[in-house]
Amino acid sequence: DAGITQSPRHKVTETGTPVTLRCHQTENHRYMYWYRQDPGHGLRLIHYSYGVKDTDKGEVSDGYSVSRSKTEDFLLTLESATSSQTSVYFCAISESLGQASYEQYFGPGTRLTVT
Amino acid sequence: AQKVTQAQTEISVVEKEDVTLDCVYETRDTTYYLFWYKQPPSGELVFLIRRNSFDEQNEISGRYSWNFQKSTSSFNFTITASQVVDSAVYFCALHYGNNRLAFGKGNQVVVIP
Repeated sequence: DAGITQSPRHKVTETGTPVTLRCHQTENHRYMYWYRQDPGHGLRLIHYSYGVKDTDKGEVSDGYSVSRSKTEDFLLTLESATSSQTSVYFCAISESLGQASYEQYFGPGTRLTVT
Repeated sequence: AQKVTQAQTEISVVEKEDVTLDCVYETRDTTYYLFWYKQPPSGELVFLIRRNSFDEQNEISGRYSWNFQKSTSSFNFTITASQVVDSAVYFCALHYGNNRLAFGKGNQVVVIP
């Protein structure tokens, strides 16, 4: 199993509060991703990183920011949580060599509830 | 734009029956990669297979098999002799731009004992 952990695993927070989710890997992979999973929507990419300090937006990035100061850590921040951000959040990692694309490995997920 | 369509939302089968999950994709890339993932009721996402666009050989792994057809832009997944442990959501995904994946909405497979 790929060495990916997410913390916290569960969180309940109130609307308007900031929330930070952490993804930690021990695989030294270059790419890291944050997804959210909601019923009827599958997995949607929020932000991703292609190296330390190199990040870019995904398809549902509004209301989220990320940071990657070390290869092993990728943080997702909800600046002011809203009820629409209640979801399950998955972190993933991947490697890539040249033009080849390699599979992404996923962390266990974080269930976030915004009340 | 890349798009993955998994039309069947929920499929119920009786144990030992075969089940085929359809995945249709759209891409303008000439070289691309396709993936299948499994998400059992416990919630984790498990990688099953990666296939590149220049290899159209079908693949078999135990009771799982995959049929890739570029002519119809499909990458279908068959579970032979289904078991209760196969009950899960299965996602098809397509690689695009800077090592990203576009996921379909998933197929919920329910295997009835």
